[in-house]
Amino acid sequence: GAGVSQSPSNKVTEKGKDVELRCDPISGHTALYWYRQSLGQGLEFLIYFQGNSAPDKSGLPSDRFSAERTGGSVSTLTIQRTQQEDSAVYLCASSLGTTYSYEQYFGPGTRLTVT
Amino acid sequence: GESVGLHLPTLSVQEGDNSIINCAYSNSASDYFIWYKQESGKGPQFIIDIRSNMDKRQGQRVTVLLNKTVKHLSLQIAATQPGDSAVYFCAENRGLDNAGKSTFGDGTTLTVKP
Repeated sequence: GAGVSQSPSNKVTEKGKDVELRCDPISGHTALYWYRQSLGQGLEFLIYFQGNSAPDKSGLPSDRFSAERTGGSVSTLTIQRTQQEDSAVYLCASSLGTTYSYEQYFGPGTRLTVT
Repeated sequence: GESVGLHLPTLSVQEGDNSIINCAYSNSASDYFIWYKQESGKGPQFIIDIRSNMDKRQGQRVTVLLNKTVKHLSLQIAATQPGDSAVYFCAENRGLDNAGKSTFGDGTTLTVKP
């Protein structure tokens, strides 16, 4: 079946502009996650959505970052007034969100470059 | 603070040999661990997981060992193949309430030489 998809695959933007990154999770997955991965580094947790619960935003690095999840499916990560240090690959993942397994299925990521 | 780290950033092995990738974690409350494989240009892919009530779990050509006493886990890959070349991450979770907040290590780059 279809996996997690993300768009765009690449985004180049000028410093100070806003960007929106989209994530389409696997159908039926109630949990959705956003991570940031800088070159050669591990994954940095950003935000977590689980069903209808309030999202866990504790990983967002600043108030320029926000995310929404509409209808329990598609999610959008918005970065306002982008800075060069925001350049990274932004990964989205989804999971069944059950106690049985926390296995997360990742999308291919969006590579963001801020010039 | 808590952290999940890998002992070596790179590992090079000969095709057909066994590979062992290590990971140390600092949070004794961690109760669930996952190994991911990330190939170039792709998102991480689940390999195998283990819960803290186990010390060993086997999959197809892979084995994960967990030593809670020293807060260490390892991923063993048998008969390593060129397709195993990738970056490997360990990740830890602390209970369902924190299910979304997997803490990832920095990764070990495995290179398989033909």
